[in-house]
Amino acid sequence: AQRVTQPEKLLSVFKGAPVELKCNYSYSGSPELFWYVQYSRQRLQLLLRHISRESIKGFTADLNKGETSFHLKKPFAQEEDSAMYYCALRGGGATNKLIFGTGTLLAVQP
Amino acid sequence: DAGVIQSPRHEVTEMGQEVTLRCKPISGHNSLFWYRQTMMRGLELLIYFNNNVPIDDSGMPEDRFSAKMPNASFSTLKIQPSEPRDSAVYFCASRRQGSGNTIYFGEGSWLTVV
Repeated sequence: AQRVTQPEKLLSVFKGAPVELKCNYSYSGSPELFWYVQYSRQRLQLLLRHISRESIKGFTADLNKGETSFHLKKPFAQEEDSAMYYCALRGGGATNKLIFGTGTLLAVQP
Repeated sequence: DAGVIQSPRHEVTEMGQEVTLRCKPISGHNSLFWYRQTMMRGLELLIYFNNNVPIDDSGMPEDRFSAKMPNASFSTLKIQPSEPRDSAVYFCASRRQGSGNTIYFGEGSWLTVV
């Protein structure tokens, strides 16, 4: 079964501090992993996906199959990074099913 | 494109009433998803359609929930009768096959059942 776990409901850091939002997944095949972000009163939007191996707004995430993790990292948090972050998984094959974790609220203090 | 359009944006209704949420996907997208967002459970996939056909409705919580997609540009999520525990934000999202699996979300419908 597909499952995404985000252990932290809230992560509070000071501006300039490093950020790591944890995401672990459970899937027997080769998953596709994504991070979505939801800023206050805005719709969810894609932040990044593992197949692109890109850095968006200073955020990166590496898929670690051994640890079944896809943690989101940023070396220096900014106040505008405050938002809800969701890790998501799509199983392989023909399925379109995208399963989300419960989300982590990142609060960056000035 | 205006993106995924949902209505109503906010609804407050009394327990027992029927609630209908509407969604217009992005033109050209052939997959449509309904999600429910709550503080406790995060984002839950309720149902999704491919080419207007329901593919997986295993996330629909009860028989009180039903969803339809009569054509490629319109879908509804209905709750009848509604209960206070249905209070949540309901998101519709759409995707075009072959677009790298990016799905695009609407702004959500905030439902409060009192």
